[in-house]
Amino acid sequence: ETGVTQTPRHLVMGMTNKKSLKCEQHLGHNAMYWYKQSAKKPLELMFVYNFKEQTENNSVPSRFSPECPNSSHLFLHLHTLQPEDSALYLCASSPDNGGTYGYTFGSGTRLTVV
Amino acid sequence: SQQGEEDPQALSIQEGENATMNCSYKTSINNLQWYRQNSGRGLVHLILIRSNEREKHSGRLRVTLDTSKKSSSLLITASRAADTASYFCATRDNAGNMLTFGGGTRLMVKP
Repeated sequence: ETGVTQTPRHLVMGMTNKKSLKCEQHLGHNAMYWYKQSAKKPLELMFVYNFKEQTENNSVPSRFSPECPNSSHLFLHLHTLQPEDSALYLCASSPDNGGTYGYTFGSGTRLTVV
Repeated sequence: SQQGEEDPQALSIQEGENATMNCSYKTSINNLQWYRQNSGRGLVHLILIRSNEREKHSGRLRVTLDTSKKSSSLLITASRAADTASYFCATRDNAGNMLTFGGGTRLMVKP
């Protein structure tokens, strides 16, 4: 375990469903991130939170809605997704949001949209 | 946009051999980081090298950075089957932007 826990590990959902991904860290980090990893593509940064405030939204469609209730928890709410949204969704945390330190990643949620 | 690009995209070697992966980037950086990802899992941070450093070691890993050529290399010595994974470089530029990851090198170490 890395200290960043993601649930669920696998998720299959229909295009009309609503589901949420959860990420939790107790490393004392102040920044948390959502990344999307699709086959044959580089990691895509989706959202950045620093001290619970969203500091970056990388032009992500509104069918993805993040929530950060505190510095230890991060959610990604999903609704009316498309099959091309199927991917590995990775959560990461770091002491700050400047990239000065390495990121600690969770094991990811493998999402399949049917 | 993609900042770092790894080369080669795939590498297959025998156990005990050394593996070298390269990363090239476009803009000036504050630091460069290397990560490993086992199949379907999260990324694991391996090493961070700052722009004023030229070489860093961690166990069997050796990272070099050449800012004049905007490139870095990751050397894994005496490779093991357990080193089989994808390796990514990530850069933080001087504009304060977030880490940007490359497409990765898939390394296979055959026993």
